[in-house]
Amino acid sequence: DQQVKQNSPSLSVQEGRISILNCDYTNSMFDYFLWYKKYPAEGPTFLISISSIKDKNEDGRFTVFLNKSAKHLSLHIVPSQPGDSAVYFCAASQTGNQFYFGTGTSLTVIP
Amino acid sequence: SAVISQKPSRDICQRGTSLTIQCQVDSQVTMMFWYRQQPGQSLTLIATANQGSEATYESGFVIDKFPISRPNLTFSTLTVSNMSPEDSSIYLCSVDDIGEYNEQFFGPGTRLTVL
Repeated sequence: DQQVKQNSPSLSVQEGRISILNCDYTNSMFDYFLWYKKYPAEGPTFLISISSIKDKNEDGRFTVFLNKSAKHLSLHIVPSQPGDSAVYFCAASQTGNQFYFGTGTSLTVIP
Repeated sequence: SAVISQKPSRDICQRGTSLTIQCQVDSQVTMMFWYRQQPGQSLTLIATANQGSEATYESGFVIDKFPISRPNLTFSTLTVSNMSPEDSSIYLCSVDDIGEYNEQFFGPGTRLTVL
């Protein structure tokens, strides 16, 4: 059973607009969350993280929001740039245990 | 979609020994990947396991240390050889979906602790 789900396999956004990538999880014990970005033929690179004691974490153009009651997190990219076009994975874990990964959302930023 | 299982889920090993991690997929896939996630670090690609040919290793990873087998389209193994505490990590296998959106599926991971 998929414990972390990214229900949108793809997303297209105009350059300069906001990209919102969503992730849902089922295990209420998860307390640490990551977002990765992956370009074709490369391994994923870490983007941003958030722990369950916070509901928002910001790093430049990237902001992750966590809604623990809804078991939902989202990644906002503002403004979106063509170089942001990649596959984005969310991952969740209970601290000290394995990570569970979503299947990814392919983001295309249109110039 | 693809369902991936890994064995073992976790292990504690002594320095100098080797551990083989198995990855089983419920459907035939062309490419399987092995990743490592060391404590507090990002996910790092070790190698791509190719069926019928040798694995392709990323910079910093060598076959002698991480031999990989890929006997068929649903199974692969990664061996961590001559282990040291620095090899303590979570090891994950992953496959690419052949569908339109290039989704990637990850196994549950193997948590390795080397004493």
